[in-house]
Amino acid sequence: AQSVTQLGSHVSVSEGALVLLRCNYSSSVPPYLFWYVQYPNQGLQLLLKYTTGATLVKGINGFEAEFKKSETSFHLTKPSAHMSDAAEYFCAVSDSGGGADGLTFGKGTHLIIQP
Amino acid sequence: DAGVIQSPRHEVTEMGQEVTLRCKPISGHNSLFWYRQTMMRGLELLIYFNNNVPIDDSGMPEDRFSAKMPNASFSTLKIQPSEPRDSAVYFCASSPRRGVTGELFFGEGSRLTVL
Repeated sequence: AQSVTQLGSHVSVSEGALVLLRCNYSSSVPPYLFWYVQYPNQGLQLLLKYTTGATLVKGINGFEAEFKKSETSFHLTKPSAHMSDAAEYFCAVSDSGGGADGLTFGKGTHLIIQP
Repeated sequence: DAGVIQSPRHEVTEMGQEVTLRCKPISGHNSLFWYRQTMMRGLELLIYFNNNVPIDDSGMPEDRFSAKMPNASFSTLKIQPSEPRDSAVYFCASSPRRGVTGELFFGEGSRLTVL
């Protein structure tokens, strides 16, 4: 069975500061990993994903994440936070070879941007 | 292009009443998923369909919940009878093909309140 742990239900950073949201996963097979963002009263939208190949993946809105197999981690970063980044962020894993058999999501991290 | 369309966006009902949530996936997508989101449990996969056939309904909480997909463009999630603990946001998501990238496209959700 696969699982995802997101460290910190709330993360607060100042505008312009580095954003770091942590995600660790558990999977019995090579995982496919995803970060989704959810703005208030909206559905989730994909930020970025890792399937195979380059372990550093870039997504929308300046976000990127690095797959580290030895650490079973897929942390999300952005060099400079913007007020518009305030949202809920979800890490997710699929171990079905990338198949659309449903993703297992973490509990989410609420990102707060301080002016 | 139209995304995943869910209705109603908001539903308030009384305990014991039947609730039906509806979803229209993105045209051409073969997989459809129903998720439930609560503060306590986060995002939970309830059921998913591939080519209109239910593949895994192990996440459906109990017999009061049922889901159907009569054709490729429509799915329903029904709760009968509803209970206050069913209050949550229910998301429908679709995916292009099974066994490919695993990316899900989410609707905006149906917020259910059971009094």
